[in-house]
Amino acid sequence: EVQLMESGGGFVQPGRSLRLSCAASGFTFDDFAMHWVRQSPGKGPEWVARITWNSGTLSYADSVRGRFTISRDNARNSLYLQMNSLRPEDTAFYYCVRAYSGSYFDFWGRGTLVTVSS
Amino acid sequence: QSVVTQPPSASGTLGQTVTISCSGSKSDIGSNTVNWYQQLPGTAPRLLTYSKNQRPSGFPDRFSGSKSGTSASLAISGLQPDDEADYYCAAWDDSLNAVIFGGGTKLTVL
Repeated sequence: EVQLMESGGGFVQPGRSLRLSCAASGFTFDDFAMHWVRQSPGKGPEWVARITWNSGTLSYADSVRGRFTISRDNARNSLYLQMNSLRPEDTAFYYCVRAYSGSYFDFWGRGTLVTVSS
Repeated sequence: QSVVTQPPSASGTLGQTVTISCSGSKSDIGSNTVNWYQQLPGTAPRLLTYSKNQRPSGFPDRFSGSKSGTSASLAISGLQPDDEADYYCAAWDDSLNAVIFGGGTKLTVL
């Protein structure tokens, strides 16, 4: 059974940093590109970042480029999102998502909540 | 700035067919596959349709996705109470090098 479990969310002040982790199991992790998608309360999903299977290609939404860094450790079946210079508008549930054929999001984690507030 | 547009709400009665539209541009829907996601209250979104009207196991053929040019649509036939949810379309945008989600449509079953 495919499982994606996010961790690392919490309450943080503006300008501070947070690192999210996603533990993957039930599939061959390094066969798949992985993404982070976030969703602010009451809003629709917003794509955040993508990393290919071998970390060869990284892509970011304009809203986070230069502040967030996506990475992965295939030996640990783990995905990460380093978030720096956090802003109140970054407040959201952050989902770890598997991309099948690099095209569609076939499995989502349950999400971890990040709240940025003073 | 790419924008994919959905109606904010839709409704139908039990057993009826409802269609949700998704309008984009040449660089997103016009050039790439449109995928649809269903989100039940308090849960993460889940894949509903992908590629050319494929569905993950667990979703019946009452759910049908289609695309024409820069627009796509999701048809739900035989509406059931459990279909009440938020529905989102999404596609890769070649010019932004990003995945773009529609704003979402909240479906109410009357």
